[in-house]
Amino acid sequence: NAGVTQTPKFQVLKTGQSMTLQCAQDMNHNSMYWYRQDPGMGLRLIYYSASEGTTDKGEVPNGYNVSRLNKREFSLRLESAAPSQTSVYFCASSEGGSQETQYFGPGTRLLVL
Amino acid sequence: QKEVEQNSGPLSVPEGAIASLNCTYSDRGSQSFFWYRQYSGKSPELIMSIYSNGDKEDGRFTAQLNKASQYVSLLIRDSQPSDSATYLCAVKRDRAAGNKLTFGGGTRVLVKP
Repeated sequence: NAGVTQTPKFQVLKTGQSMTLQCAQDMNHNSMYWYRQDPGMGLRLIYYSASEGTTDKGEVPNGYNVSRLNKREFSLRLESAAPSQTSVYFCASSEGGSQETQYFGPGTRLLVL
Repeated sequence: QKEVEQNSGPLSVPEGAIASLNCTYSDRGSQSFFWYRQYSGKSPELIMSIYSNGDKEDGRFTAQLNKASQYVSLLIRDSQPSDSATYLCAVKRDRAAGNKLTFGGGTRVLVKP
């Protein structure tokens, strides 16, 4: 039981390049989330998926797209990376409904030059 | 005004003392409150949740909620060096907002032997 996994762990991109961050959970959770964390800013929600087949914008969605591939997997895509997207990205999942504990993956450190 | 505010710290406490962390929130419709601990370079992990006014104790941790004053606090008794981490306050709004959490910027705690 791995919980929430993320790939890659670390990535360096040049401005304008694209990439997809992968997230998978094996806890049969309904809801999945993507956050970014910048120094002193806490965690800010980028996109979330309340259930398979649905996605919604969070607080900072500009420059990102998501895909809920199936119940287990939720990917985050940067179409044209910018230095402002340098951050640590965390994926999380929760059962949804009245169960509110979110479980976080180990994070992906992204550097955009 | 940020939706969830925390003093960034660092909060320096001697080993064995009580660490007191505060968090204020702006949305009076907030229903659920969480404290996450995050070690440097790691992902957040839930340590406490609280839903109603008053105190909730779990081992050396006590969460306190005052909805009228819109603040939630965390007390760490008998602080240990292993408690040195950043503590994130998170707030969930009402059911209409789904399971989205809004995080504060975190308070860094340093426990000195």
